Amino acid sequence: GIQVEQSPPDLILQEGANSTLRCNFSDSVNNLQWFHQNPWGQLINLFYIPSGTKQNGRLSATTVATERYSLLYISSSQTTDSGVYFCAVINTGGFKTIFGAGTRLFVKA
Amino acid sequence: EAGVAQSPRYKIIEKRQSVAFWCNPISGHATLYWYQQILGQGPKLLIQFQNNGVVDDSQLPKDRFSAERLKGVDSTLKIQPAKLEDSAVYLCASSLTGGGGDTQYFGPGTRLTVL
Repeated sequence: GIQVEQSPPDLILQEGANSTLRCNFSDSVNNLQWFHQNPWGQLINLFYIPSGTKQNGRLSATTVATERYSLLYISSSQTTDSGVYFCAVINTGGFKTIFGAGTRLFVKA
Repeated sequence: EAGVAQSPRYKIIEKRQSVAFWCNPISGHATLYWYQQILGQGPKLLIQFQNNGVVDDSQLPKDRFSAERLKGVDSTLKIQPAKLEDSAVYLCASSLTGGGGDTQYFGPGTRLTVL
C-alpha cells in the first residue's frame, strides 16, 4: 500500500519563528489533507490540498503531486500552534485513508 | 453546524470485558469513518461506511471488533473481548461524499484504557 513519511518528527521553535513541515508519499493521490491535533487530542482540518497551493492566515500549503510531496508552512509561529501535524492521503482509485506518523511541534514563548 | 459527536469521552475497563462507542456524524454526511489512534502514532482506519454499506474494513480485527451504521446515520463500534493492546483513542470522522475527493471532519474521540 501507499507509504506516507513526514519530517521532521519533532520540532521546537521560538515564538515568532517560521517552519516548514514535509509529507512524502509513495504513490499518486487524489486526496491529501493536513490536520493539526491539539494538546487535547482534537484533530482539526487545516487544508484539503491534493495539488496546488492554498493559504489561510499564517498557514499555507503546497502539494506537488507529480513529485509526490506536500509542504506545510507556518509563519510567525505562536504557542497555540503547538501540537502534532498530520498529513493524510488517499491513493488514486482507492478509498483507504493513510496517515503519516506526524510532526510534533512545540513553540516556546 | 454541529460537528461530529462521540460518546463516551473516556472509558476504563478490564481485559476481556466488552465496550461500545457511539458516533453521530455531521448531518447529511454520507461517509463515516472509525479510526484507532495509539499513543504516539497517527490514526489508523478501522472501518469506513458509505451510507449503510461498508466500503473498507480491511484493518478491523474482526474476531473482536464489530461496527454497524443503522439507517445511514449513527454508528456504534464494539470491542468484545477487549485486550490490553486495545488501549487507544477511537476517533470517528465523517465526510460529505467520500470516495477520496472530500474533507474529513473528526469528533473529539473516546479514550479507552484497558487494565
